[in-house]
Amino acid sequence: AQSVSQHNHHVILSEAASLELGCNYSYGGTVNLFWYVQYPGQHLQLLLKYFSGDPLVKGIKGFEAEFIKSKFSFNLRKPSVQWSDTAEYFCAGDSGGGADGLTFGKGTHLIIQP
Amino acid sequence: EAGVAQSPRYKIIEKRQSVAFWCNPISGHATLYWYQQILGQGPKLLIQFQNNGVVDDSQLPKDRFSAERLKGVDSTLKIQPAKLEDSAVYLCASRPGPRPFQAGELFFGEGSRLTVL
Repeated sequence: AQSVSQHNHHVILSEAASLELGCNYSYGGTVNLFWYVQYPGQHLQLLLKYFSGDPLVKGIKGFEAEFIKSKFSFNLRKPSVQWSDTAEYFCAGDSGGGADGLTFGKGTHLIIQP
Repeated sequence: EAGVAQSPRYKIIEKRQSVAFWCNPISGHATLYWYQQILGQGPKLLIQFQNNGVVDDSQLPKDRFSAERLKGVDSTLKIQPAKLEDSAVYLCASRPGPRPFQAGELFFGEGSRLTVL
């Protein structure tokens, strides 16, 4: 079965620290991968997405992620976090068929301390 | 552009009662999803519609959950009778359609939070 796993369920960092959140997937063949963010009291929003091409994708608010096929990974990174990055982060994927619903990881709760 | 609309935002019921949630997707979006998000977990797909037809309902507990999208626009998710473990946020999402270049990016509503006592 297709699955997405996130390594860290709770992460606490200080402002200006660097961030890397792990995500692994278990799809065979074509895969589309995403990171969504949910700020407190708000709906899920797309941070970035990978369909094909350059494995390093850049998203909003200075986030980026690297698709490493050999490691089945799609880790999220940000060189310097801000207090406003406090949120829940979800990695998700689908098989690229176009009509499939996304499979989500369990999420990582990120807290940035001022 | 208006987003995905859901109502009610909050609902508290007792077990064995029934509840219904409504979703209006972004205008023109052919594909609609219902997800269940239990506290501390990621969203889990319950059902997917393409226009007014069901594409995938393999994870929908059909003994108590039902969903419809009769005219291919808005949708209703019903739970009857509710159990304690149904306490969750029910998320509706939509996307334009199954074309590959638009595949995957789902637009989510704010969700309907259900508490079953």
